[in-house]
Amino acid sequence: QVQLVESGGGLVKPGGSLRLSCAASGFTFSDYYMSWIRQAPGKGLEWVSYISSSGSTIYYADSVKGRFTISRDNAKNSLYLQMNSLRAEDTAVYYCARDTGLQYGMDVWGQGTTVTVSS
Amino acid sequence: QSVLTQPPSVSGAPGQRVTISCTGSSSNIGAGYDVHWYQQLPGTAPKLLIYGNSNRPSGVPDRFSGSKSGTSASLAITGLQAEDEADYYCQSYDSSLSRVFGGGTKLTVL
Repeated sequence: QVQLVESGGGLVKPGGSLRLSCAASGFTFSDYYMSWIRQAPGKGLEWVSYISSSGSTIYYADSVKGRFTISRDNAKNSLYLQMNSLRAEDTAVYYCARDTGLQYGMDVWGQGTTVTVSS
Repeated sequence: QSVLTQPPSVSGAPGQRVTISCTGSSSNIGAGYDVHWYQQLPGTAPKLLIYGNSNRPSGVPDRFSGSKSGTSASLAITGLQAEDEADYYCQSYDSSLSRVFGGGTKLTVL
């Protein structure tokens, strides 16, 4: 079945780094755009980053621009989020989602991985 | 402060109809970008509920419907059921093609 599984979350000190992964299965990963979305404790959803199917087009939210890097390895059916210079306000559950574009939304979501930034 | 504005909460009794509004601007919804809606049940990941303003993915009951007009969109739920109690989010795009979400609306079934 179509599935996304995130991993790599954990506790990190302010200023530290973390790399999240998202493993895709059940569909042709290389055909789809992907996005990362996060949700701070008790808060709403915040889109973080988008990558096109080939990786040639990338967008970031202003809140993470210059600190986070999205990438993908289509041969490994995997999506990544490299997070540097982490701040307390980056504490959230991070979801990866299959992003089917402007007309179709994000139709498949992972279960999320928790990132906690604290000293 | 979310780019799209939703009411923080709505409520209704079983069987009733409720609507959730999503207000944007000329740089997102008003620019012609589609609106999508997501349902997040407690403790779970979001699920696509409505795409392309008014379309339901397979498996979503026809009690859920969406519409869009000008710089706003709405989600309507008819025949309210206890299992509909959840957080609902609208999502669209801005001129840089960044994805933007509403702040979310908590639906309480009385």
